Amino acid sequence: QKEVEQDPGPLSVPEGAIVSLNCTYSNSAFQYFMWYRQYSRKGPELLMYTYSSGNKEDGRFTAQVDKSSKYISLFIRDSQPSDSATYLCAIGGYSSASKIIFGSGTRLSIRP
Amino acid sequence: ETGVTQTPRHLVMGMTNKKSLKCEQHLGHNAMYWYKQSAKKPLELMFVYNFKEQTENNSVPSRFSPECPNSSHLFLHLHTLQPEDSALYLCASSQLRDGSTDTQYFGPGTRLTVL
Repeated sequence: QKEVEQDPGPLSVPEGAIVSLNCTYSNSAFQYFMWYRQYSRKGPELLMYTYSSGNKEDGRFTAQVDKSSKYISLFIRDSQPSDSATYLCAIGGYSSASKIIFGSGTRLSIRP
Repeated sequence: ETGVTQTPRHLVMGMTNKKSLKCEQHLGHNAMYWYKQSAKKPLELMFVYNFKEQTENNSVPSRFSPECPNSSHLFLHLHTLQPEDSALYLCASSQLRDGSTDTQYFGPGTRLTVL
């Protein structure tokens, strides 16, 4: 079983729709959960960072962590064509020496 | 553009060539990383340097040789690569502290094609 599973997509939605991106993970020791956005021909950029369970909101983006189900989500409200990118989930352990494990990424396309 | 720069952005090389990738971070971080990103696969961690010391080598073939002369610069020396090594090579940096996982900041990557 992979440590992090992420549906590669592609996912295509109309502008203005609510987008839900998800990952599952296998190791309950993970405590830190991140979402990166990667535009074509660019490196990943950190979008959201969450510690332990719960929700975190930043503008149109909401990150949600359900540790009991080992399930993390990223919601995008009022999606825009500029949100079209690949979104990677990433999870980390509880110490500074821990590696970050990345999902394979979901390619998202917002249709005008 | 981020505080992590990479050169060159694109590189085409033959299997017998020797080339080097360069990464520089302007964020004052103490750790640097090399990743390989292939189509439809997760980012593969290759090497980790913490305060210039290599702390991780994820079974990377010896045709990839990292060098970290200081905490701001990281190189990846390439020698006798194979076509399957064609990928996007990403450099990242982070500030490691006790009690906090490492939020990594990425450069734009070098798109490598091996003929």
